[in-house]
Amino acid sequence: GAGVSQSPSNKVTEKGKDVELRCDPISGHTALYWYRQRLGQGLEFLIYFQGNSAPDKSGLPSDRFSAERTGESVSTLTIQRTQQEDSAVYLCASSSLQGRSYGYTFGSGTRLTVV
Amino acid sequence: GNSVTQMEGPVTLSEEAFLTINCTYTATGYPSLFWYVQYPGEGLQLLLKATKADDKGSNKGFEATYRKETTSFHLEKGSVQVSDSAVYFCALAGGSYIPTFGRGTSLIVHP
Repeated sequence: GAGVSQSPSNKVTEKGKDVELRCDPISGHTALYWYRQRLGQGLEFLIYFQGNSAPDKSGLPSDRFSAERTGESVSTLTIQRTQQEDSAVYLCASSSLQGRSYGYTFGSGTRLTVV
Repeated sequence: GNSVTQMEGPVTLSEEAFLTINCTYTATGYPSLFWYVQYPGEGLQLLLKATKADDKGSNKGFEATYRKETTSFHLEKGSVQVSDSAVYFCALAGGSYIPTFGRGTSLIVHP
């Protein structure tokens, strides 16, 4: 598509429920990144996918968080047994292999509220 | 590891004032440097970038120069507008391919 698409744009869930967030990157972009942005804070790296390589999961805050991506297509971020501290905007970005040269394209994010 | 430090906000200016938002970084090697802007309720948009020392990135009247000797990439604009009100993020991308972002600096421009 023309840009990075994320869905849903807003999600309200009850504490303890599981949620799935979706990211549809720009066609042809091999790299995909998930970040978390808490209110008034910067971007916290979560996970990085590059093509068919093993993902870099070093930013995932706990084993309740997981993400998948099939090839160079859609990615889903799953949060199990949600907690109130999971409330944040979850941002997805994609780039070509030359992301360092050309930059990274972000989606509009999913605002997650855990009540 | 890599890190980016930005001046704390909010920065509050009157329209047509001069803007500087400071950004310094720590990285090994020769990272690429970026400024992103986030308008309320939206994702981050690339504002400008520089990929090597002494490069100047520019866009929409904003400029930043990659200074390796001071490890800085300060954002400047000669005359801000109300529509520039947003949060600005400085970022770097080094050898790990994972970009590192600063905490963001909120800019508020009053008419």
